Amino acid sequence: QVQLVQSGAEVKKPGASVKVSCKASGYTFTSYGISWVRQAPGQGLEWMGWISAYNGNTNYAQKLQGRVTMTTDTSTSTAYMELRSLRSDDTAVYYCARDHGAMDVWGQGTTVTVSS
Amino acid sequence: QSALTQPASVSGSPGQSITISCTGTSSDVGSYNLVSWYQQHPGKAPKLMIYEGSKRPSGVSNRFSGSKSGNTASLTISGLQAEDEADYYCCSYAGSSTVGFGGGTKLTVL
Repeated sequence: QVQLVQSGAEVKKPGASVKVSCKASGYTFTSYGISWVRQAPGQGLEWMGWISAYNGNTNYAQKLQGRVTMTTDTSTSTAYMELRSLRSDDTAVYYCARDHGAMDVWGQGTTVTVSS
Repeated sequence: QSALTQPASVSGSPGQSITISCTGTSSDVGSYNLVSWYQQHPGKAPKLMIYEGSKRPSGVSNRFSGSKSGNTASLTISGLQAEDEADYYCCSYAGSSTVGFGGGTKLTVL
């Protein structure tokens, strides 16, 4: 079945970086894009950006420009999201989602906690 | 601040119908037929319920329907059931290859 499986929870100190993975299976990875969405505790969904698994083109949310990098490895059907210079307000559940105009398959989420 | 405006909460009794609005601008909802709606139960990942304004993915109940008028999109749930109690988020393409979510609406089934 079509699924996205994300890496496990992370605890990071302020100023550090985190890299979350999202492994796809059950479909042709390069035929779809991947969006990353995060959700701070008790808050709503925030779109972080999108990457084409076909050619690696990216679009990032303006507020994260310069701190976020999204990449893919087509040999393993895996997408990655790296966020640098972490702050306490980056504490959230991070989701990847298959995106072809709508996000129809979601990963299970990865909790990233930023704390000194 | 969310790009799209949703009511914080709505409620209804089993069997009734409710509508959740999602108000954007002429730069997002009003310009593109790319509004999607997501259902999220506590502690779970969001689930796609409506895409391209009014289309339902395979497996989603026909009790869920979407529409748009001007800069406002709407999600209607008919025949409310207890399992519909969840948070609902709208999402729209906003031009320049960006996407925005609404702030979310908590649906309570009384």
